[in-house]
Parts: sequence; C-alpha cells; structure tokens
Amino acid sequence: EAQVTQNPRYLITVTGKKLTVTCSQNMNHEYMSWYRQDPGLGLRQIYYSMNVEVTDKGDVPEGYKVSRKEKRNFPLILESPSPNQTSLYFCASTAGRDNSPLHFGNGTRLTVT
Amino acid sequence: GQSLEQPSEVTAVEGAIVQINCTYQTSGFYGLSWYQQHDGGAPTFLSYNGLDGLEETGRFSSFLSRSDSYGYLLLQELQMKDSASYFCALTSGTGRRALTFGSGTRLQVQP
Repeated sequence: EAQVTQNPRYLITVTGKKLTVTCSQNMNHEYMSWYRQDPGLGLRQIYYSMNVEVTDKGDVPEGYKVSRKEKRNFPLILESPSPNQTSLYFCASTAGRDNSPLHFGNGTRLTVT
Repeated sequence: GQSLEQPSEVTAVEGAIVQINCTYQTSGFYGLSWYQQHDGGAPTFLSYNGLDGLEETGRFSSFLSRSDSYGYLLLQELQMKDSASYFCALTSGTGRRALTFGSGTRLQVQP
C-alpha cells in the first residue's frame, strides 16, 4: 500500500530535549516536505526537499532541521524544542508533476512543556 | 510573499450545493490545489487547477481565474461525510513545489 509513515503519533517532551520525528514514504517520490498545523493558521511549510541531499526552507524553518540522506526518509529534528513548537506536524511527499497530489502522513502531535 | 484567504466557516444542508472561495496574492504562481481534512485526520487531495477554468471530479469541482487571483471549490449533493475542513493551496516558488496553504474553511453539513 502506498503510504507516508510518520512516527511517533504522539510525543510529549520537555524544553531543550532533542527529538526526531521520522518520516518514510514507499512511493519513490522525489519531493518531501514538513508542515505544522496550528488552529486558525492552517498548514505552514517548515522545510521541503526536492531530492536526496537537496533541502530548502519553507515559511517557518526556525528551530527545525531536516536531512535527506535517502530518497524514502525525511526526518524532522528539533535540536532544542520550545513550548511554541507544540503543534501538529505532518510529513508529505509527492511526485514531480505540477498536478501531483501531496500524500500526507497521519501526523505527529507534539507537546513541549 | 504569498497569502491566501478563505472563509473560516460555512454551513449547508444535506443535498445542497456549497461554494468555498479562495483569493490569493503571489508571484511565480503555478497552480491552485484543494485538500480536505476530517477532524483528527490527515489532509487528502481533492483537485488541482493549473489553468484557468473548471475542473470536475465527481461531486467536486474547482475553478481558477488567474486574472482575478481567485478560485473556488464547489461541492454538490452534499453528504454528511463532507463535513470537514477544506484548504486551498498555492503551488509556486523554487522547483514549483513550495506549497502555501490557506487557513482552511470548516464546512458543517446539517441534516
């Protein structure tokens, strides 16, 4: 089954404790991206990657890092999480055509205390 | 920068037709997409307009007018399961893959 898999689904952590949210896709998509969703703000792009070793900042990259060492994986790293990073996070992937849909993972609800 | 505006809430009755509007400001625009998200779920793709005009997919249609910086999603024969949030999204920027989403329209379908 074609899918984007994120882990974990829920995560509660404390300020400053490094964490990684994993994302993997099995559709051989070149493009992957991370979004955060906050009430009233919709989905905001954090980082995106056009291919292996090619990443770029989205609209809200501060406090986040990503890496793309393999085509299928695109982890999101929070080196020193802060409470304002409490949010719902989605990973997504798509093929390269203009009309290609984004396939989203099931989301990771992160709480930073 | 880019921005999209859509109504925050829309209410309609089962069997009716509803239109969700989206106006945008951008440069380097390539296309307008629509996504549906049920509570607790992930967004799912509904439609894409790369050219002006109407795209139809079953009960859903989407329209784009680049000259007016405007698009809409039309849902026909509304069903209770259509109650969800709907997001318009701009495809633009480097490599055509930078996506900016609107803040979403919450559609409530009543019996």
